[in-house]
Amino acid sequence: QSALTQPASVSGSPGQSITISCTGTSSDVGGYNYVSWYQQHPGKAPKLMIYEVSNRPSGVSNRFSGSKSGNTASLTISGLQAEDEADYYCSSYTSSSNPYVFGTGTKVTVL
Amino acid sequence: QVQLQESGPGLVKPSETLSLTCTVSGGSVGSPNYYWTWIRQPPGEGLEWLGYIFYSGSTNYNPSLKSRVTISVDTSKNQFSLRLSSVTAADTALYYCARFPRGRYTFDSWGQGTLVTVSS
Repeated sequence: QSALTQPASVSGSPGQSITISCTGTSSDVGGYNYVSWYQQHPGKAPKLMIYEVSNRPSGVSNRFSGSKSGNTASLTISGLQAEDEADYYCSSYTSSSNPYVFGTGTKVTVL
Repeated sequence: QVQLQESGPGLVKPSETLSLTCTVSGGSVGSPNYYWTWIRQPPGEGLEWLGYIFYSGSTNYNPSLKSRVTISVDTSKNQFSLRLSSVTAADTALYYCARFPRGRYTFDSWGQGTLVTVSS
């Protein structure tokens, strides 16, 4: 099972909105509404930001939103803040023999 | 709020077995509402799911590691463990334990991670 494809890096200025894509196949992203997004600051454990494509866990800022179209899921960060600078990973349930696959990761830089 | 904490040796010799334990507080590994999982991250690389266990003892493993991975649970100690046999340098990674809610297919709580280096 190949990793889901994410852009290596995305950047934006404070206050702007950015979108990170996560491209898979009909066997994972496109076939199930089980896409999650995780934020990872350097030296820290990943933190769940979005689950089931667009749901935010309690305590996660509403500046983070998720969506999906076909085989591509997206994470949008609006009102970009310095604290949003981190690595972001998507994940999806898959119908393959390996049921969980992660994305390649995206480094978000706040200019 | 649930907390997870990994523990175990930070250095393992090639061909030996890596053993880690995850201690859960603020929640129970005996709950039928969650699966307990291991995920790893090689230095500078992405995340890889290794496998999970349910309180009943049922397991599911990443096929790429299936022959080498064993996950077990000890409800009396509120812990679950990972054993990875015949390790090589490619198994050097940060190892995380995490929880995912049954039916949710997401990892909602993570431990801080523990670095395991495979070297002689």
